[in-house]
Amino acid sequence: SQQGEEDPQALSIQEGENATMNCSYKTSINNLQWYRQNSGRGLVHLILIRSNEREKHSGRLRVTLDTSKKSSSLLITASRAADTASYFCVNSGGSNYKLTFGKGTLLTVNP
Amino acid sequence: NAGVTQTPKFQVLKTGQSMTLQCAQDMNHEYMSWYRQDPGMGLRLIHYSVGAGITDQGEVPNGYNVSRSTTEDFPLRLLSAAPSQTSVYFCASSSGPHTATEAFFGQGTRLTVV
Repeated sequence: SQQGEEDPQALSIQEGENATMNCSYKTSINNLQWYRQNSGRGLVHLILIRSNEREKHSGRLRVTLDTSKKSSSLLITASRAADTASYFCVNSGGSNYKLTFGKGTLLTVNP
Repeated sequence: NAGVTQTPKFQVLKTGQSMTLQCAQDMNHEYMSWYRQDPGMGLRLIHYSVGAGITDQGEVPNGYNVSRSTTEDFPLRLLSAAPSQTSVYFCASSSGPHTATEAFFGQGTRLTVV
C-alpha cells in the first residue's frame, strides 16, 4: 500500500517543548509532503521534500527524508498551543495526481 | 483572496436524495480534486480533474459524479445518498499535480445521510 503510517498516533507535550513525528511507507517515496489539519477544518500545506533531498527547514519546522528506510520525520521546535492539530505525511510515489494520506498524528500542545 | 470555497458547510440528506457539493477556486489552478475524510482516517480521493473538460476516478468513486466545465468550478454530485456517504468532503486545487506542488484545501462540507 502507498499509505503512510505515522508514529505516534497521538502526542501530548508542553508548550515550548519540541515535537517529533515519524512517517514510514512500504512503497518508494517520491515527493513527500506534510500537511496540518486543525480540528474540523481544511488541510494546510506545511512543506514538500523531494526524493533527492535529505533535510528541509521552514521556520520552526524541520523535515528529514531517508529514502533507503522509506521514512520521514517532522520536527516542530518550541511548540505553541496553536500547533495543536493533526499532522499528515503524504506520499506521492507512483502517481502524478493522487495524494495518499495516512491516519495522521494528533499533536496536543498544552499551555 | 478567497482561495478554495466549498458550499454548503453542513448538509443533512435523507437516504436516496441527491445533491451537489460546490467547489470554486479563484487561483486559476488546473488541478482539482475531491476527497472524503471519515473519522480517524486520512483523506481518500474520490475524483480529480487536470483541467476543464478532463476528469478521472480516484480511489472511492462509486456513488459520485463530477464534471469540470470551467477552470474555476468542480462540483461533486451525490446521485442517491446512502448512510455510508456520511463524511466530511474536501475539495483541493493546485497549479500542478497535487503530488508535486502545494495543494490548497477548502474548509470542508460535513454531510450526514440519515
